Amino acid sequence: DAGVTQSPTHLIKTRGQHVTLRCSPISGHKSVSWYQQVLGQGPQFIFQYYEKEERGRGNFPDRFSARQFPNYSSELNVNALLLGDSALYLCASSFAQNGQTQYFGPGTRLLVL
Amino acid sequence: AQRVTQPEKLLSVFKGAPVELKCNYSYSGSPELFWYVQYSRQRLQLLLRHISRESIKGFTADLNKGETSFHLKKPFAQEEDSAMYYCALSATTSGSARQLTFGSGTQLTVLP
Repeated sequence: DAGVTQSPTHLIKTRGQHVTLRCSPISGHKSVSWYQQVLGQGPQFIFQYYEKEERGRGNFPDRFSARQFPNYSSELNVNALLLGDSALYLCASSFAQNGQTQYFGPGTRLLVL
Repeated sequence: AQRVTQPEKLLSVFKGAPVELKCNYSYSGSPELFWYVQYSRQRLQLLLRHISRESIKGFTADLNKGETSFHLKKPFAQEEDSAMYYCALSATTSGSARQLTFGSGTQLTVLP
């Protein structure tokens, strides 16, 4: 098993653009969470999805949205990009909604110019 | 709201010396705490969790509810322990999501 996979690995966008990041969880895992990690800080929770429904949301504006597909993969969408959205975006999967152990992907590094 | 504090951004020790990475938390409920580690050019990975009371790679961590701490310790540091360490608290949100709250991390360097 390759573990959690994310694409793309790197991305450069300009202010005002839109971006879509993708995540495939570990086989058999039904829960996907998204985190934003700004340089010098720990990851910050954005969303959790379980069984294709949003189950939790962190303190992020409505420009951030996500969805989960029937195969449990997930997309994170960010509209109207700001310079401050530049960060490493991490996806984590767990077996269940209350899965205590979350397994992280390698992340997508987004640079907004 | 929950909060995790790691007071040391950088920590350097010599090989063979004991190491302690500090973590303090604030949370009104019953905490579930974790240590994650990120080695150079690798993904974030779970090191240990308090409910397991296990020792991984010689590291242990004890939850002290009185002091609201979950410090990570190793009696004899090795050069391969050099990495970024994150303390994290798991809490259930109002929507029943399982949310990890991370500290800002401690970069450990073990000197030869």
